[in-house]
Amino acid sequence: GNSVTQMEGPVTLSEEAFLTINCTYTATGYPSLFWYVQYPGEGLQLLLKATKADDKGSNKGFEATYRKETTSFHLEKGSVQVSDSAVYFCALMNSQGGSEKLVFGKGTKLTVNP
Amino acid sequence: DSGVTQTPKHLITATGQRVTLRCSPRSGDLSVYWYQQSLDQGLQFLIQYYNGEERAKGNILERFSAQQFPDLHSELNLSSLELGDSALYFCASSVAKAGTGELFFGEGSRLTVL
Repeated sequence: GNSVTQMEGPVTLSEEAFLTINCTYTATGYPSLFWYVQYPGEGLQLLLKATKADDKGSNKGFEATYRKETTSFHLEKGSVQVSDSAVYFCALMNSQGGSEKLVFGKGTKLTVNP
Repeated sequence: DSGVTQTPKHLITATGQRVTLRCSPRSGDLSVYWYQQSLDQGLQFLIQYYNGEERAKGNILERFSAQQFPDLHSELNLSSLELGDSALYFCASSVAKAGTGELFFGEGSRLTVL
């Protein structure tokens, strides 16, 4: 079946540090891949997405590249800010077999200290 | 503000009871999704409705049911509640029938079963 594995947190960084959150997936066919972010007390919101191999999604300084050969979609940011403190979820959607639901990883909590 | 409204925000009840969670999707969105978020299971897809009809089903227990009404709001009914049902229940909406993966989440309803 479809599944997403992302690095367990929590991750604690200092402001302006480099961020990587690893995400790998298992799926049949060609899923679309997503990163969602959940700020404290809020619902999830889409951060970025990629729909095919070698696509790079980017938003707010975050980037992730869809790597089919390694089944990965790692999230990166060159210089994190305190305001980036949140829980980050990697997710996939595989429309094969009529299933269109999002499958999420367990989330990685990021804390950025000033 | 995602535009998705969920009520109530918090709910405390006892085992064996029944509760109803309500969701109003973003204006114009026809699809509604329900997710359960717990510490041990992460984000689990429960069910999706599109324009009043059930579209996809996930790990939804038989004690749980949902529906989407003609005005597109949705309700999730949880009955014979158990301690393990304590979780954060999210509703999300999207405009498309064929999922694009771009969901807009509400802030969630936190259910505590004592």
